[in-house]
Amino acid sequence: GENVEQHPSTLSVQEGDSAVIKCTYSDSASNYFPWYKQELGKRPQLIIDIRSNVGEKKDQRIAVTLNKTAKHFSLHITETQPEDSAVYFCAAGFSNTGKLIFGQGTTLQVKP
Amino acid sequence: DAGVTQSPTHLIKTRGQHVTLRCSPISGHKSVSWYQQVLGQGPQFIFQYYEKEERGRGNFPDRFSARQFPNYSSELNVNALLLGDSALYLCASSSAFVWYVYEQYFGPGTRLTVT
Repeated sequence: GENVEQHPSTLSVQEGDSAVIKCTYSDSASNYFPWYKQELGKRPQLIIDIRSNVGEKKDQRIAVTLNKTAKHFSLHITETQPEDSAVYFCAAGFSNTGKLIFGQGTTLQVKP
Repeated sequence: DAGVTQSPTHLIKTRGQHVTLRCSPISGHKSVSWYQQVLGQGPQFIFQYYEKEERGRGNFPDRFSARQFPNYSSELNVNALLLGDSALYLCASSSAFVWYVYEQYFGPGTRLTVT
């Protein structure tokens, strides 16, 4: 069935360090891979996304990479700041239904 | 610039009751999706509607139903509530539905508690 595995479940880094979150998806029909940031008690916010015809995308301190062959995609945050602390979710999307399958989430803590 | 809005913010219901949740998408967005987020987990897809038609459905029982109105707002209905239906219900809107997927922007959610 459709499944997205996300690791690690928790990640603690020092301010200024990099953070990497990895996801694996099961359905090769997936062609859209967004990342969401969710702060406590708030809505998920789209922070970056990548489509299946692109291998890498960068937006300031955030980058996402996609390996379609291995069905892996990753989020990279450089120069982390305390305000980056939140739960991050990866998702795999399907163009024919608009469905997003979410990972279990990674709680990122950036220590000042 | 209004984002996705949802009502009510919080709701407490008793087992067996019915509930209706409402969502208004971003102006100009024609697609609305519904997700259920249980505490500590990622959102789970329930439905997607575009131009008032259901285009996608997740693995939820028939107790869950939805519809989209001509102004693109949407309702999610849940019948015969169970304790396990307690969750944050999120609505997401997107600007277009073409063969290629699109960005989804979430509303603040409705927190449903079933007692």
